[in-house]
Amino acid sequence: GQQVMQIPQYQHVQEGEDFTTYCNSSTTLSNIQWYKQRPGGHPVFLIQLVKSGEVKKQKRLTFQFGEAKKNSSLHITATQTTDVGTYFCASGNNRLAFGKGNQVVVIP
Amino acid sequence: DAGITQSPRYKITETGRQVTLMCHQTWSHSYMFWYRQDLGHGLRLIYYSAAADITDKGEVPDGYVVSRSKTENFPLTLESATRSQTSVYFCASSFQFMNTEAFFGQGTRLTVV
Repeated sequence: GQQVMQIPQYQHVQEGEDFTTYCNSSTTLSNIQWYKQRPGGHPVFLIQLVKSGEVKKQKRLTFQFGEAKKNSSLHITATQTTDVGTYFCASGNNRLAFGKGNQVVVIP
Repeated sequence: DAGITQSPRYKITETGRQVTLMCHQTWSHSYMFWYRQDLGHGLRLIYYSAAADITDKGEVPDGYVVSRSKTENFPLTLESATRSQTSVYFCASSFQFMNTEAFFGQGTRLTVV
């Protein structure tokens, strides 16, 4: 399977600030998916990127897929308390493998 | 109500007992997955299934058994539970594997004492 590594593992972010979380692979990825898991909840799909260099936006969230399709990032602007949770990237050809996640704590 | 449901939501069992976690989806999705979530390990794939009667091992299959006689059900059995299998278990489904999102159930919190 395609393994992905996420950095950082934990982030404390001041409300109103921006932050970025990264997803890296040593091999070329066929696609990358991002999920968010709220505390006590289950992972919920955010987006999928397929094309090299692809950029997609969802309101304050910007997702990028690297040109070499070996890395991806999620950038959130003007962080809100509702952004708290763990963000996962996932990828795979015949099995959907998840990274370890980036746990985000928002400081009011 | 349509969706993917797991049962039970919480389970406490003793070491050595067999326990089965249920997963049911109403979308007729082809693919189904079982993950376990532990602190510091993220979501690790246990088993997955591409269709009825087709299953395959994931990253951490030891100690687990799955079956998929019907498209909508994908039970996970711990044949002889161990304390190391204490975890939160998530079932997920997707319409097809590539380029479609996975929908997760609410999870089952299993404690082995």
